[in-house]
Amino acid sequence: GAGVSQSPRYKVAKRGQDVALRCDPISGHVSLFWYQQALGQGPEFLTYFQNEAQLDKSGLPSDRFFAERPEGSVSTLKIQRTQQEDSAVYLCASSLGTGQGDSPLHFGNGTRLTVT
Amino acid sequence: SQQGEEDPQALSIQEGENATMNCSYKTSINNLQWYRQNSGRGLVHLILIRSNEREKHSGRLRVTLDTSKKSSSLLITASRAADTASYFCATVSHGNNRLAFGKGNQVVVIP
Repeated sequence: GAGVSQSPRYKVAKRGQDVALRCDPISGHVSLFWYQQALGQGPEFLTYFQNEAQLDKSGLPSDRFFAERPEGSVSTLKIQRTQQEDSAVYLCASSLGTGQGDSPLHFGNGTRLTVT
Repeated sequence: SQQGEEDPQALSIQEGENATMNCSYKTSINNLQWYRQNSGRGLVHLILIRSNEREKHSGRLRVTLDTSKKSSSLLITASRAADTASYFCATVSHGNNRLAFGKGNQVVVIP
């Protein structure tokens, strides 16, 4: 596709519900990243995939957060038993390079998650 | 973890003026990048400057990097209303592949 696509654009979940956020990266991009952005803050790293391999998941805030990219393309970020502090914008980015800083990241417009 | 910090955090200028924002970081880096984010949208990459570069230009953007002071600046010349956005610096430090973003500068260009 022309850019990184994320869905849904907005998600409202009741506390305790599970949610799944989808990311379609730019075709051919090897690297895929998930970031969490709180209101008025910069994005915070969650996890990084190189093709289907999850090489870094050190930013995931708890074991309720799980991400996968089974075929090295589309990725899903799943949050189990959502809590109010999970409310944020979740951004997905992809890049052609294999490192986190050697080529520009292309971001999607994000999914705004509100947990009530 | 190391993170860039922009200064000032909010800037309001008239169209046609220049806007300058700064970013500082704490550890040795491989490169530094600047991104723009319009309200409700994702981040857009503006420019990447490598640790062995001191200055880089792209259109109306000028970025400087001073590794001795661990700081960078982004200058937008002849600003336009469409430049209204938040601007973030991001760094990748040696031995750590994580791209760390600062808190951002909110720039408002008044027509």
